[in-house]
Amino acid sequence: AQSVTQLGSHVSVSEGALVLLRCNYSSSVPPYLFWYVQYPNQGLQLLLKYTSAATLVKGINGFEAEFKKSETSFHLTKPSAHMSDAAEYFCAVSWKTSYDKVIFGPGTSLSVIP
Amino acid sequence: EADIYQTPRYLVIGTGKKITLECSQTMGHDKMYWYQQDPGMELHLIHYSYGVNSTEKGDLSSESTVSRIRTEHFPLTLESARPSHTSQYLCASSEGVDTQYFGPGTRLTVL
Repeated sequence: AQSVTQLGSHVSVSEGALVLLRCNYSSSVPPYLFWYVQYPNQGLQLLLKYTSAATLVKGINGFEAEFKKSETSFHLTKPSAHMSDAAEYFCAVSWKTSYDKVIFGPGTSLSVIP
Repeated sequence: EADIYQTPRYLVIGTGKKITLECSQTMGHDKMYWYQQDPGMELHLIHYSYGVNSTEKGDLSSESTVSRIRTEHFPLTLESARPSHTSQYLCASSEGVDTQYFGPGTRLTVL
């Protein structure tokens, strides 16, 4: 069965430190991959996406992610955390099948410590 | 600019009331979705639509119903609200399997 896992339901980093949020998926076909961010009392908004072009994808707010097919991973990174990065982050995977299915990971809550 | 709207943003009602949560998008997307999300928790797909007159149930069983009479409009209805329906409801739309655009959500509290 197709699935998306995010290692660590909660991650804490110090302001200025590296942010690394992990996402792995299971799939037998090439996926489209997304990272979304959700701030309190808001809907989700797209951070970045991979759709079979360059494997290193740059997104908004200094975030980037690298698609590694051999590891079935799409980890999200940011070199230096800012207080405003504190939010919930969701990895999502979709496949161009007859049902156009999209699966969201369970989410990772990022805290940034001053 | 993605334009998808949800009303109301917050709703507090008593048990047994009928409610409709509104969702509209101006992007002409064929696909629309309803998710249920408890605070700080994962998203659960409860309904989706591939176009006008197309609706399907999602992965999470829900007592709500939806309709899709117009491309831009995808309302969700609860005939008789109960405290177990207290949650946040997020509406989204997309073009194919590309980016989903989310509304701001409706936070429902049933007393």
